[in-house]
Amino acid sequence: KNQVEQSPQSLIILEGKNCTLQCNYTVSPFSNLRWYKQDTGRGPVSLTIMTFSENTKSNGRYTATLDADTKQSSLHITASQLSDSASYICVVSGSGTYKYIFGTGTRLKVLA
Amino acid sequence: GAGVSQSPSNKVTEKGKDVELRCDPISGHTALYWYRQSLGQGLEFLIYFQGNSAPDKSGLPSDRFSAERTGGSVSTLTIQRTQQEDSAVYLCASTRLAGDRYEQYFGPGTRLTVT
Repeated sequence: KNQVEQSPQSLIILEGKNCTLQCNYTVSPFSNLRWYKQDTGRGPVSLTIMTFSENTKSNGRYTATLDADTKQSSLHITASQLSDSASYICVVSGSGTYKYIFGTGTRLKVLA
Repeated sequence: GAGVSQSPSNKVTEKGKDVELRCDPISGHTALYWYRQSLGQGLEFLIYFQGNSAPDKSGLPSDRFSAERTGGSVSTLTIQRTQQEDSAVYLCASTRLAGDRYEQYFGPGTRLTVT
């Protein structure tokens, strides 16, 4: 069964600190992996998209990595800000399909 | 231009009533998805529209759910005889091809509460 699992479920960090969120997937064959940020009461917004051949992708203070061999991805947030408080969702798309498999997200809270 | 918009933003309805949720996708985007997001759950696929092709309705949880997309643009998700388990946030997303990959743009969602 195609699945996407994220850890931790929730995380609290102090402003200015770094953090790393994990995503493991079993989707096969694999096409691409996306990380989304979802603020409370808003729709998800794309942060990064990576295909099989891409190991890392950055978007400002967000850096995503992908290991397609172990089917793992991480999202690293550098120098966190209060505005980073949100849910971060890992989404995997299989090859030859228009459907996306969504993880349940990691809820991040950044404290002043 | 404007992003994906959804209306209403919040809807409270009594059990057994019908509700209609609306999605206005980004102009020119040919694909449109509806998802349901329940508390603590990942987004659940409901239905997919692509151009003039027959929609993929395989994610609709029961025959009380239906959706249509008129003129390849605006879409409406209808839930008949609502039940309390239908309470969730309903998200719409439109998709465009950017280079070698598809990019999804989500609306803000409609929070449905069935009392």
